[in-house]
Amino acid sequence: EVQVVESGGGLVQPGGSLRLSCAASGFSFSDHYMEWVRQAPGKGLEWVGRTRNRANSYNIEYAASVKGRFTISRDNSKNSLYLQMNSLIPEDTAVYYCVRLVGWKFGFDPWGQGTLVTVSS
Amino acid sequence: QSVLTQPPSVSGAPGQEITISCTGSSSNIGAGSDVHWYQQLPGAAPKLLISGSSNRPSGVPDRFSGSKSGTSASLAITGLQAEDEADYYCQSYDSSLSASVVFGGGTKLTVL
Repeated sequence: EVQVVESGGGLVQPGGSLRLSCAASGFSFSDHYMEWVRQAPGKGLEWVGRTRNRANSYNIEYAASVKGRFTISRDNSKNSLYLQMNSLIPEDTAVYYCVRLVGWKFGFDPWGQGTLVTVSS
Repeated sequence: QSVLTQPPSVSGAPGQEITISCTGSSSNIGAGSDVHWYQQLPGAAPKLLISGSSNRPSGVPDRFSGSKSGTSASLAITGLQAEDEADYYCQSYDSSLSASVVFGGGTKLTVL
């Protein structure tokens, strides 16, 4: 079964840091783009960033809203994706989803259950 | 303000047909970028519903269909069922933004 499972969310104070993890299984991890998408409470979906696949040198891209504060990385030996979040602000409060890009023509699938990050004092 | 524009809400009675629009621009849908649709049931994670503008992944009922024309795309649901009540999001790719992945703001479907 193709699956992704996020972990690492929690409550953090403004200015603090948190590291999210995503464990993937059931597919060739290194052959896929892996991405983070977040959803603030009661709001829509927002793309956070991606790491490309082996064929594209695992290049990384970020949304403007998180660039310089968030760092995406992957460990292909562990089939894992990470999101290091620094200098957190209340607007970063959201459920963070790890998703696999099946392909440009095929969209994001699967989605994990998400992990909630709350930035508050 | 989302790059892709969706109506905030739509509603329909069981058995009826509804459509949800997704309007973009010449830098995303109008540039030929694929459009994908996701269904988010209450309290759940999003799920891929339509890919490549009009393709249904395995397991998605044929009551769901997608289309694309010009700078817009649409999701149609026929034979509405109570279990279809959910939030629906369109997604595409934009060549003009650092956030190359763009989503619509979401549409809440209420089955009356």
